[in-house]
Amino acid sequence: RKEVEQDPGPFNVPEGATVAFNCTYSNSASQSFFWYRQDCRKEPKLLMSVYSSGNEDGRFTAQLNRASQYISLLIRDSKLSDSATYLCVVNNAGGTSYGKLTFGQGTILTVHP
Amino acid sequence: ETGVTQTPRHLVMGMTNKKSLKCEQHLGHNAMYWYKQSAKKPLELMFVYSLEERVENNSVPSRFSPECPNSSHLFLHLHTLQPEDSALYLCASSQESVGTQYFGPGTRLTVL
Repeated sequence: RKEVEQDPGPFNVPEGATVAFNCTYSNSASQSFFWYRQDCRKEPKLLMSVYSSGNEDGRFTAQLNRASQYISLLIRDSKLSDSATYLCVVNNAGGTSYGKLTFGQGTILTVHP
Repeated sequence: ETGVTQTPRHLVMGMTNKKSLKCEQHLGHNAMYWYKQSAKKPLELMFVYSLEERVENNSVPSRFSPECPNSSHLFLHLHTLQPEDSALYLCASSQESVGTQYFGPGTRLTVL
């Protein structure tokens, strides 16, 4: 089983649509969770951290279910500029002074006019 | 954004060449990372330096040799690479274990 598993897509949605991405992780001791965004031929950039209570940033909502080891990202009112690859990321730092990020394969989103 | 810079941005090398990738972070972080991103595969962590000491080496072949002379600079020395080493090499930095990792723009490496 992959440490972090995502549906690779691609997801093709019209502008204004709502789209949801899911991710599962295998290490129950994982400490922190993130969604990163990666544009074509660019570096990954942090989109948002994910907390157990759920968190929202504008049109983006992230949820974490530790019992099910499941993370989600919801994008409302999709924009053309949301087209990118969305990376589910898990940190298994485990008491170290540095991060140990494990990345999912990424979910490709294309928003069309 | 210039928090983490990498040079060169593109590199083409033969299998017998020796080259080095450079990373510099201007964020005052205490941990630096090398990742490899191959087509259709997730980012793979290669090396981690924490407080200038190598703390992780994820079964990376010895033809890749990292160096961290100080907390702001990280190098990846390359020699006798194989064509399958062609990939995007990304550097990142963070402050402490739970700090956000910030990535450089990457070096796109092609090995002929």
